[in-house]
Amino acid sequence: QSALTQPASVSGSPGQSITLSCTGTSSDIGGYNYVCWYQQYPGKAPKLIIFDVSSRPSGVSDRFSGSKSGNTASLTISGLQAEDEADYYCSSYTSSSALYVFGPGTKVTVL
Amino acid sequence: QVQLQESGPGLVKPSQTLSLTCTVSGASISSGGYYWSWIRQYPGKGLEWIGYFYYSETSYYNPSLKSRVSISADTSKNAFSLRLSSVTAADTAVYYCAADISTSENAFDIWGQGTMVTVSS
Repeated sequence: QSALTQPASVSGSPGQSITLSCTGTSSDIGGYNYVCWYQQYPGKAPKLIIFDVSSRPSGVSDRFSGSKSGNTASLTISGLQAEDEADYYCSSYTSSSALYVFGPGTKVTVL
Repeated sequence: QVQLQESGPGLVKPSQTLSLTCTVSGASISSGGYYWSWIRQYPGKGLEWIGYFYYSETSYYNPSLKSRVSISADTSKNAFSLRLSSVTAADTAVYYCAADISTSENAFDIWGQGTMVTVSS
C-alpha cells in the first residue's frame, strides 16, 4: 500500500487543463518542499517532470506545473496533448526512516 | 551526459540472493555530490525506494528491506550494486537504478532502463 494517495485515473480532451492530486501527511508532503512528479510510458523508466514542488528540469514542457497546499500536492497539465497520455507518479521526502515515498500513480487518458 | 545501465539475472530462485549491478557513464560515483539509488516497481506498478549509496561509503536503506539489502560500489568499474537476500515471490519487480544528477538531491532525475527480476523456482 502506497504512502501517498493519488486518483487512479484522470481524463481530459485535447487542449484542456487537468489537475492531478497527491495527498500525504505532515511527515512528508506537508513537512517538506521535496515533492516530485514522474511521467511514465508503458515499458519505459519514469521521467522526472517536476522537482521541489514546482521546479521543472531542463527540457520539460512548461505545460507541466506543480504546486502544494498543506498535505496535498498537485500537478497541472495545461493544453493537454495526446503525448501526455501516460502514468504519473508523485513522490516526497519523508521524515520516516523510509526517506522517500511514492504514490500509486494516476493514469492520464486523452479523450 | 550521465547514463545508467542495470545488469543481472532475470530469474532468481526463492530464498536465494538477488544481485544487480548499475554501471554509470558520464559521471564518477566516487567524486561525491550524488546519491546513487535503487528503486523497484511491482507488476501492479507501485514504486518503492530501496536505498542509496553515497561516495563516502555511506549507504542507507528502506527499513522495510534493511535486514535483507546491501548496496555497495565498485569504483574500479564505476558501478554500484544491489544485493537482496532471502528473496520471495513478493520481490518480483522491475528494478531501476537512479540518481540525482542535475536537479535536487531529493529527486531522481536520471534512471536506468530497468531490469525485470522474477523470483520463481
